[in-house]
Amino acid sequence: QKEVEQNSGPLSVPEGAIASLNCTYSDRGSQSFFWYRQYSGKSPELIMFIYSNGDKEDGRFTAQLNKASQYVSLLIRDSQPSDSATYLCAVINYGGSQGNLIFGKGTKLSVKP
Amino acid sequence: GAVVSQHPSRVICKSGTSVKIECRSLDFQATTMFWYRQFPKQSLMLMATSNEGSKATYEQGVEKDKFLINHASLTLSTLTVTSAHPEDSSFYICSATRGRATGELFFGEGSRLTVL
Repeated sequence: QKEVEQNSGPLSVPEGAIASLNCTYSDRGSQSFFWYRQYSGKSPELIMFIYSNGDKEDGRFTAQLNKASQYVSLLIRDSQPSDSATYLCAVINYGGSQGNLIFGKGTKLSVKP
Repeated sequence: GAVVSQHPSRVICKSGTSVKIECRSLDFQATTMFWYRQFPKQSLMLMATSNEGSKATYEQGVEKDKFLINHASLTLSTLTVTSAHPEDSSFYICSATRGRATGELFFGEGSRLTVL
C-alpha cells in the first residue's frame, strides 16, 4: 500500500514567521512531488512541484526533497493569514497511472495575525 | 494558465435520484481527466481515470455501474452518480493534465453533493 503521511495539525504560526510542513512517502519509486493548497470547501491549487533532491524556491515558498529519506517539505516564509489553509502533499510514480497522484491527508495551517 | 471548470458547484438531491457533474478543460485538450472524491477531513481519493473515446478505468472498490463516466470529447468529461444514497454525499473533484512532463494536475472547482 503506497502511502503519503502528513501531520494533520493544526499547525499554528504567528504572522511573519516561517511555517514548516512535512511529508513522508513510502514508495521509493516516486518521481515527482507536489504541494497543493486547499481552502475549506474549495478544490486544491498547485503551489509547487519538485523532482530533484535539494531545494526549490518560488517566492515565499521553498520545497525541499530528500529521496534517500523519502521526505519532502514545504517552507512558507513571512507567513500571512491568507496562507491559512490545508496543505496537501502528493507524489506520483510514473510507472503507474499517469494521473495517479497519491495524496496525503493534509496539514491544516493557521497563521495568526 | 490552464483552467478546468466543473459544474454544478453544489447539488442537493433526494435519495434514489441520479446526478450528473460536468468537467470541462477550457483552454486545452485533455485526453485524460481524473475524478476524485473527498470526504470531510480526508484526502483526495482517485475514483476513476476518464479517457476520451474509451471506457473509464475505475479504481478498486469504485462501482462502475454506480459512477458512470463519459468522456465524449477532448474537453468534456461527465460523472453521473446513479441512484444516489446519503453515503454518496461528498466533494467530487475533477482534474486534467496538460502533459506528462510534470504530472501537474489542474483541478476543477469541485462539486459538493448532498443526498437527502
